[in-house]
Amino acid sequence: ELKVEQNPLFLSMQEGKNYTIYCNYSTTSDRLYWYRQDPGKSLESLFVLLSNGAVKQEGRLMASLDTKARLSTLHITAAVHDLSATYFCAVGPINTDKLIFGTGTRLQVFP
Amino acid sequence: NAGVTQTPKFRILKIGQSMTLQCTQDMNHNYMYWYRQDPGMGLKLIYYSVGAGITDKGEVPNGYNVSRSTTEDFPLRLELAAPSQTSVYFCASSASSGTTQYFGPGTRLTVT
Repeated sequence: ELKVEQNPLFLSMQEGKNYTIYCNYSTTSDRLYWYRQDPGKSLESLFVLLSNGAVKQEGRLMASLDTKARLSTLHITAAVHDLSATYFCAVGPINTDKLIFGTGTRLQVFP
Repeated sequence: NAGVTQTPKFRILKIGQSMTLQCTQDMNHNYMYWYRQDPGMGLKLIYYSVGAGITDKGEVPNGYNVSRSTTEDFPLRLELAAPSQTSVYFCASSASSGTTQYFGPGTRLTVT
């Protein structure tokens, strides 16, 4: 059974600081997604990573994928308050069309 | 272009009642998904479909049924509602596996 673990589960960070969220998964995968969810809202797609070594960046967020280590990271550069949200990774096991979500990382950025 | 729409937004059911959650997408996507999100948790896949007439079970299919008679619509049926089905339900669609999934606004369901 595929397990997807995120850490940390909660992250409180000061504006201007850098930090990384980790997403580990337990089986072979050919696609990994990162999403953002604001409280009481739906999910917004941030990144889709499809190959080993893939790196994507959008603004202050950068995601990477290491399929050999079964690890993806979401790096936050110079955090701002607007980045406060819950971030989910989701993994697609190879040879399936399913998508398994991690439990999420709740990020709070304070002044 | 409305994207993914879901109805209703909110619903309260009594134990044992049944209902259908509606999901429609106007992006001509082949893939559609139903998830549930319990408070403070991640999403669990209930059912998914890779095209009209094709459906398959996800992680938590018990107590639910789906159908996919058209590309646009993917309704989720709850039979004999139970308190354990209290959750927020999200529908999503994508063009294919490995492409961006677009989520609907969600349906908040309470079973009492």
